[in-house]
Amino acid sequence: KAGVTQTPRYLIKTRGQQVTLSCSPISGHRSVSWYQQTPGQGLQFLFEYFSETQRNKGNFPGRFSGRQFSNSRSEMNVSTLELGDSALYLCASSFTGGFDEQYFGPGTRLTVT
Amino acid sequence: AQSVTQLGSHVSVSEGALVLLRCNYSSSVPPYLFWYVQYPNQGLQLLLKYTSAATLVKGINGFEAEFKKSETSFHLTKPSAHMSDAAEYFCAVTHADSNYQLIWGAGTKLIIKP
Repeated sequence: KAGVTQTPRYLIKTRGQQVTLSCSPISGHRSVSWYQQTPGQGLQFLFEYFSETQRNKGNFPGRFSGRQFSNSRSEMNVSTLELGDSALYLCASSFTGGFDEQYFGPGTRLTVT
Repeated sequence: AQSVTQLGSHVSVSEGALVLLRCNYSSSVPPYLFWYVQYPNQGLQLLLKYTSAATLVKGINGFEAEFKKSETSFHLTKPSAHMSDAAEYFCAVTHADSNYQLIWGAGTKLIIKP
């Protein structure tokens, strides 16, 4: 079966702009989590959606938001981009979340100039 | 609060040698523990997970890890390293009290010398 897909794979934006990243989970998975990965901070949890509801949230400013659609696809939005938002954004899906195995997509590499 | 410490940001071993990647956690309640691997320019893949069943957990690609409560450790081992094992390895912990939010270690880059 198809894995987790993320689009776009690479993105270059300018400070102050906004960006939307997309994640399509594995068919049947209802939980989608987002992570930010940077060399300095490592992997940090952004939020988790389950059945269109945000179930869990990490310690990121309100500029970072997300949503999940009825088909479990998820989008993540970052407004008013800052240089420090440059990172690899990873999406992971699982059947129900919790301690289920998470399946990761290849990530979206965002560069803010 | 939970935390995960991975000792050594880089570990170098010769091909065929034992691989040992260290992970220590702190958790006030029984944890669930995971090891993930990340190959260059790819997402993460689950190697193995501990969910309070057997303390010795076998994973994919010949890796295994042992949960030692007394040492709060969950070290990853493989008897014989292969060139294809070169990657970054992440240990993560979660439990019900944190609503199953995964807390990640900083990662260890495994380098295999020919």
